[in-house]
Amino acid sequence: GIQVEQSPPDLILQEGANSTLRCNFSDSVNNLQWFHQNPWGQLINLFYIPSGTKQNGRLSATTVATERYSLLYISSSQTTDSGVYFCAVEGSGSRLTFGEGTQLTVNP
Amino acid sequence: DTGVSQDPRHKITKRGQNVTFRCDPISEHNRLYWYRQTLGQGPEFLTYFQNEAQLEKSRLLSDRFSAERPKGSFSTLEIQRTEQGDSAMYLCASSLTLNAPQFFGPGTRLTVL
Repeated sequence: GIQVEQSPPDLILQEGANSTLRCNFSDSVNNLQWFHQNPWGQLINLFYIPSGTKQNGRLSATTVATERYSLLYISSSQTTDSGVYFCAVEGSGSRLTFGEGTQLTVNP
Repeated sequence: DTGVSQDPRHKITKRGQNVTFRCDPISEHNRLYWYRQTLGQGPEFLTYFQNEAQLEKSRLLSDRFSAERPKGSFSTLEIQRTEQGDSAMYLCASSLTLNAPQFFGPGTRLTVL
C-alpha cells in the first residue's frame, strides 16, 4: 500500500516563529488532507489539498503531486498551535493512510 | 450544521466483554469510515461503507469485530470478547463522495482492563 512519511517527528518553537512540516508519499494520490489533533484526540481538518496551494490565515499548504510531497507552513506560531499534525492521503482505494505525525510544541 | 458524532466518548470494560460504539455521520454524507488509533501512532483504517454497503475491510478487522450501517444512516462497530490489545481510540469519519474530504468525529476511547 501507499506509504506516508512526515518530518520532522518533533518540533519545538518559540511563540512567533515560523515552521514548515513535510509529508512525502510513495504513489499518486486522489486526496491529501492535513489535520491537527487536539489534546482530546479530535482531528481538526486544516486543508484538503491533493494539488496546488491554499492559505487559511496563518496556515498555508502546498502539494506538488508530481513530486509526491506536501508542505504545511505555520507562520507566527502561537501556543494554541501545539499538538500533533497529521498528513493523510487517499490513493486508488477509499481509505486514508496517515503518516506518524509531527508533534509541535510552541513555548511562550 | 452538525459534525460527525460518536457515542460513547469513553468506554471502560473488562477483558472478554462485548462493546458497541455508535457513529452518526454528517447528514447527506453517503460514505462512512472507521479508523483505530493507538498511542503515538496515526489512525489506521478499519472499514468503510457506501450507503448501507460495507465495501472494504482492513486485515486489522479480526472476526471479533463487526460493523453495520443499517439504512445507510448511523453505523455501529461491535467488538466481541474484548482483549487488552483492543484498547485504542476508535474514530469515525464521513465524506460526501469518493475522494472528497473526510470529516472526523471526536472518537470513542476504549480501555480494556
